[in-house]
Amino acid sequence: QQQVKQSPQSLIVQKGGISIINCAYENTAFDYFPWYQQFPGKGPALLIAIRPDVSEKKEGRFTISFNKSAKQFSLHIMDSQPGDSATYFCAASVSGGGADGLTFGKGTHLIIQP
Amino acid sequence: GAGVSQTPSNKVTEKGKYVELRCDPISGHTALYWYRQSLGQGPEFLIYFQGTGAADDSGLPNDRFFAVRPEGSVSTLKIQRTERGDSAVYLCASSFLQVGDTEAFFGQGTRLTVV
Repeated sequence: QQQVKQSPQSLIVQKGGISIINCAYENTAFDYFPWYQQFPGKGPALLIAIRPDVSEKKEGRFTISFNKSAKQFSLHIMDSQPGDSATYFCAASVSGGGADGLTFGKGTHLIIQP
Repeated sequence: GAGVSQTPSNKVTEKGKYVELRCDPISGHTALYWYRQSLGQGPEFLIYFQGTGAADDSGLPNDRFFAVRPEGSVSTLKIQRTERGDSAVYLCASSFLQVGDTEAFFGQGTRLTVV
């Protein structure tokens, strides 16, 4: 059972454009929703995270939008740059008791064309 | 070092052999996680340690997989009688408290290839 569904699988965006990646979850106990960025040969690195008490969080060019009723959240990358080309994973977990850590989506391979 | 360190970076082994993968977490981090990442997939949870004890090993695929953290710091993932299907990148992550309460930091992974 895939608890976090991520789309699209791959995405090509022109430099300066907006990259949008979507995720949907099933487990209503999830209360922590991070996005990770992974470059080839490297481990995932935390990009930005949100909790369900807010509907949006912005850090620089990266924004998470969260819709609790729809059980969906998305990552928006504004003014996308070639250096943003990487694989992005959404994830979810239960804090304060979720011993199995993070449940990841399958990832989105993002290419920013110069 | 300042980050999570995993050794070796790459490991090639023959089918049926035994392998050990090592993880050095960030100093002071009590929580340690092992994940497995197959090609083109997201990381999948294997086991979680809080201190020295395995708080949750529900992600281990079968009894060929075992992990220890005897002193609450370094952890070793052990795979017996390796199979070609075990080929993947094995990731280790640590966090000060349980993930979700504090950020989890990942190592660069160990790429295991079983031939």
